[in-house]
Amino acid sequence: DQQVKQNSPSLSVQEGRISILNCDYTNSMFDYFLWYKKYPAEGPTFLISISSIKDKNEDGRFTVFLNKSAKHLSLHIVPSQPGDSAVYFCAASLNNAGNMLTFGGGTRLMVKP
Amino acid sequence: KAGVTQTPRYLIKTRGQQVTLSCSPISGHRSVSWYQQTPGQGLQFLFEYFSETQRNKGNFPGRFSGRQFSNSRSEMNVSTLELGDSALYLCASSLVWSSGANVLTFGAGSRLTVL
Repeated sequence: DQQVKQNSPSLSVQEGRISILNCDYTNSMFDYFLWYKKYPAEGPTFLISISSIKDKNEDGRFTVFLNKSAKHLSLHIVPSQPGDSAVYFCAASLNNAGNMLTFGGGTRLMVKP
Repeated sequence: KAGVTQTPRYLIKTRGQQVTLSCSPISGHRSVSWYQQTPGQGLQFLFEYFSETQRNKGNFPGRFSGRQFSNSRSEMNVSTLELGDSALYLCASSLVWSSGANVLTFGAGSRLTVL
């Protein structure tokens, strides 16, 4: 039973345009949601997070939106740059479960120059 | 400062063998987590250690085990290897063990191939 799902395995976007990566979850008890980016041959790196009590968090070009009623979150990258090409994972955690993260399957983003 | 270091980076084993993977966390980080990444299952949580104690365990068979030493370094062991254990094993460290808001810093991983 996949509690966190990223239904789009890949996404292709033109440089300068907006990239929108989506993530759905089933466990309403999740307290925090995080996005990680992974380049080949490297470990995932933290991008941005959001608490379940918020509906938006921004950090530069990256904005995460959370819709708790729909159990859906999205990551917006504006403007997209070729260096953003990577695999993006959304992850969720419970407040009483330490650093245990439940990851989605990932979305490969390709930003074309 | 140095990141999370995992050794070895690549290794090949045969079915039935055992393997030990090592992880050195960022200096000062006391929590170490392990994840398995496979093409079919994505990133799955294996276990987490803090202050030499296992705090959480994922849904993996008992062939998967780990430990943490007093210097926060961690090892994981997989016994009686199966073909399905072929994966990238990622270690992540964090300053503390508390709420899920902690940011994990991942190492580059150890890629295990079981033949």
